[in-house]
Amino acid sequence: GAGVSQTPSNKVTEKGKYVELRCDPISGHTALYWYRQSLGQGPEFLIYFQGTGAADDSGLPNDRFFAVRPEGSVSTLKIQRTERGDSAVYLCASSWAGANYNEQFFGPGTRLTVL
Amino acid sequence: GQQVMQIPQYQHVQEGEDFTTYCNSSTTLSNIQWYKQRPGGHPVFLIQLVKSGEVKKQKRLTFQFGEAKKNSSLHITATQTTDVGTYFCAGHGNKLVFGAGTILRVKS
Repeated sequence: GAGVSQTPSNKVTEKGKYVELRCDPISGHTALYWYRQSLGQGPEFLIYFQGTGAADDSGLPNDRFFAVRPEGSVSTLKIQRTERGDSAVYLCASSWAGANYNEQFFGPGTRLTVL
Repeated sequence: GQQVMQIPQYQHVQEGEDFTTYCNSSTTLSNIQWYKQRPGGHPVFLIQLVKSGEVKKQKRLTFQFGEAKKNSSLHITATQTTDVGTYFCAGHGNKLVFGAGTILRVKS
């Protein structure tokens, strides 16, 4: 079956704008994660969903960042009033039930550039 | 908070030479995972280690989890050009924390 998909693959926006990034996890995976990866760094944890609820949102840098997963499948990461420092690759990953003890399958990422 | 350090940052080897990357956590881990990211790609899961002192092998790759469950290593024997990429360890304490990765370049 299909892997994790993310749209758009690239997003260029202006400082102060609002953006939405979408993630379609592997069918049947109940756990979904968002990460942010800057050049030369490892993925930085943002938020983890188990089903529809955010089980751990401690990685969200501030209240401009918000994520939802209303039906327990597709998730949207929302960034308000974007800043140049938000520029990075945003990675989504999913895994089978069992929280963080399972292999995570990563999507190709969305490269966000804030001008 | 939980921190995961990884060394070296970068290694350039001749094809056929061995390669090792090391990972150290500031806290005791429940498990550790290793991922490989090819240039321009996304992280791909390699393995998970759970038990203290555990050693696992995948062909030319050997993974080790320390006795104290705070460090780990990945060793590649006789590197090939297909091994090129960035290798990340990711330690699970309260959540999965990735190291900064080791970039491996292989000269043929």
